[in-house]
Amino acid sequence: AQSVTQLGSHVSVSEGALVLLRCNYSSSVPPYLFWYVQYPNQGLQLLLKYTSAATLVKGINGFEAEFKKSETSFHLTKPSAHMRDAAEYFCAVSDRAAGNKLTFGGGTRVLVKP
Amino acid sequence: EAGVVQSPRYKIIEKKQPVAFWCNPISGHNTLYWYRQNLGQGPELLIRYENEEAVDDSQLPKDRFSAERLKGVDSTLKIQPAELGDSAVYLCASSFSGSNAGELFFGEGSRLTVL
Repeated sequence: AQSVTQLGSHVSVSEGALVLLRCNYSSSVPPYLFWYVQYPNQGLQLLLKYTSAATLVKGINGFEAEFKKSETSFHLTKPSAHMRDAAEYFCAVSDRAAGNKLTFGGGTRVLVKP
Repeated sequence: EAGVVQSPRYKIIEKKQPVAFWCNPISGHNTLYWYRQNLGQGPELLIRYENEEAVDDSQLPKDRFSAERLKGVDSTLKIQPAELGDSAVYLCASSFSGSNAGELFFGEGSRLTVL
């Protein structure tokens, strides 16, 4: 069975500071990994995905994530936070043997302070 | 191109009442998912359809929940009777099974409040 753990349910950063959101996964097969963002009262929007190509993945809005097999991690970063980055972020692993079913972590809510 | 469309966006009902949610996936997407998102948590899969067939409904509480996707396009999720614990956001997502990238596209969700 696959699982995802996101360390820290809430993260507070100052505008312009580094954003680092941690994600560790468990998978019995080489995983596909995703980060989604959810703004208030909206659905989930894909930020970026890892599908076994380059281990450093660049996404939208200046976010990137690095796949580290040895650490079973897929941490999300952004060098400089903006107020519009305030949202909830979900890491997910795909079960390709089950129709690309996504298993999500519990989410990390990001607060950006002026 | 239109995204995944869900309705209603918000629904408030009293416990023991029935409720239904509707989803229209992205055109051409043969896989449709219903997820439930409790407050402060990540989404959890309720049911997955490949065309009109429910291929994974192991997490669907079948005593009160039902779903259908009769023509392999849009889908309805029903709860009858609703309980207080069913208050959540119900998310519909779709994907194209021919894609090996596994990306799911989500609707804006239907927020259910059971009083």
